[in-house]
Amino acid sequence: TQLLEQSPQFLSIQEGENLTVYCNSSSVFSSLQWYRQEPGEGPVLLVTVVTGGEVKKLKRLTFQFGDARKDSSLHITAAQPGDTGLYLCAGATSGTYKYIFGTGTRLKVLA
Amino acid sequence: DTAVSQTPKYLVTQMGNDKSIKCEQNLGHDTMYWYKQDSKKFLKIMFSYNNKELIINETVPNRFSPKSPDKAHLNLHINSLELGDSAVYFCASSSRLAVTDTQYFGPGTRLTVL
Repeated sequence: TQLLEQSPQFLSIQEGENLTVYCNSSSVFSSLQWYRQEPGEGPVLLVTVVTGGEVKKLKRLTFQFGDARKDSSLHITAAQPGDTGLYLCAGATSGTYKYIFGTGTRLKVLA
Repeated sequence: DTAVSQTPKYLVTQMGNDKSIKCEQNLGHDTMYWYKQDSKKFLKIMFSYNNKELIINETVPNRFSPKSPDKAHLNLHINSLELGDSAVYFCASSSRLAVTDTQYFGPGTRLTVL
């Protein structure tokens, strides 16, 4: 069974701090996505990465896909209370039409 | 305008009952999905449909039966509800059956089985 482990599971930080969330697997993915989910809502896609070593930036968020396409990281610079939420990574293996979701990281940014 | 909508938002029912959840998307997408998110926030795909055709059926008990009357709708019927079915169910859609396409999720239906 494919498993995507995220770390940390929970993170509570002060506004202005930096943080990194990790997403690791033993499987190779053809595509990896990051989502943010707020309470009572569905996940919202933040980014899709498809090339090993790829780095994408979305304002204060930086996403990296590992060279071997087995892992990914999400770095947030100068976190703000609006960044609070559940962050989910999801990977798709070659030849499939589905994403396996990670175990999730709950982030709370305190003002 | 809501892109992906689900009804009801909350569903509380007794064990053994049969219930349905409805999903509609107004994005003109070809592909729709059902996901289950458990109490630990783990999100798992259940089904996907492309142009009304079942593509993915992820070893879900056959008490769960999806139905796609047209490309804009994907409903989920659950027979003989069990305690373990309690979860949040999300519908999603994407333009095509391609993992590089963005999936748009609905707001979820919180199902509680007593």
